[in-house]
Amino acid sequence: AAGVIQSPRHLIKEKRETATLKCYPIPRHDTVYWYQQGPGQDPQFLISFYEKMQSDKGSIPDRFSAQQFSDYHSELNMSSLELGDSALYFCASRHRTGRMNTEAFFGQGTRLTVV
Amino acid sequence: GQQLNQSPQSMFIQEGEDVSMNCTSSSIFNTWLWYKQDPGEGPVLLIALYKAGELTSNGRLTAQFGITRKDSFLNISASIPSDVGIYFCAGQTGGYNKLIFGAGTRLAVHP
Repeated sequence: AAGVIQSPRHLIKEKRETATLKCYPIPRHDTVYWYQQGPGQDPQFLISFYEKMQSDKGSIPDRFSAQQFSDYHSELNMSSLELGDSALYFCASRHRTGRMNTEAFFGQGTRLTVV
Repeated sequence: GQQLNQSPQSMFIQEGEDVSMNCTSSSIFNTWLWYKQDPGEGPVLLIALYKAGELTSNGRLTAQFGITRKDSFLNISASIPSDVGIYFCAGQTGGYNKLIFGAGTRLAVHP
């Protein structure tokens, strides 16, 4: 079965550069969540989208922005990168319309290293 | 904000032993999920719980949704080396709200 696809898997950027992370949800999933996971930490919620609209916002820095497109894929844009932005970034998707109880499935993540 | 307290932080066990870990919260959750994460990979869903008191099994894994809706546990029976990893509990307050994660339990299994 198709899973959540994230690209790139690895990304190295210098301080103050910009980065764009992409997430392709499971087909027919209409909700996307973004999480940031630092070394040895649990995933921290950044932002979520449902039907191309932002549905919830967590601890996402103002330097970051995200959107969900008409094909339901999502992009996380990160500007003025800082060393502390180095982390694993996960995207999860779920199907919201219809059944109430649907699980969220995670992608394999993008490892961002800021040098 | 809402927090999940997951324990233990780490466990070192012998192959074949049973394992138990739990999560508690001061908040009520409508959904509890248990994930396993291998290094550098995304969390993989193990078990999802949707009703208070629900007990669900997935092979050697058993999880329960606490009756107060403020806690959940995960048991792994007859552990094997491939059970090594980090286990996260995650709670959801309702509908399609964000998942809130516990700090994780690192499991090491010695052959």
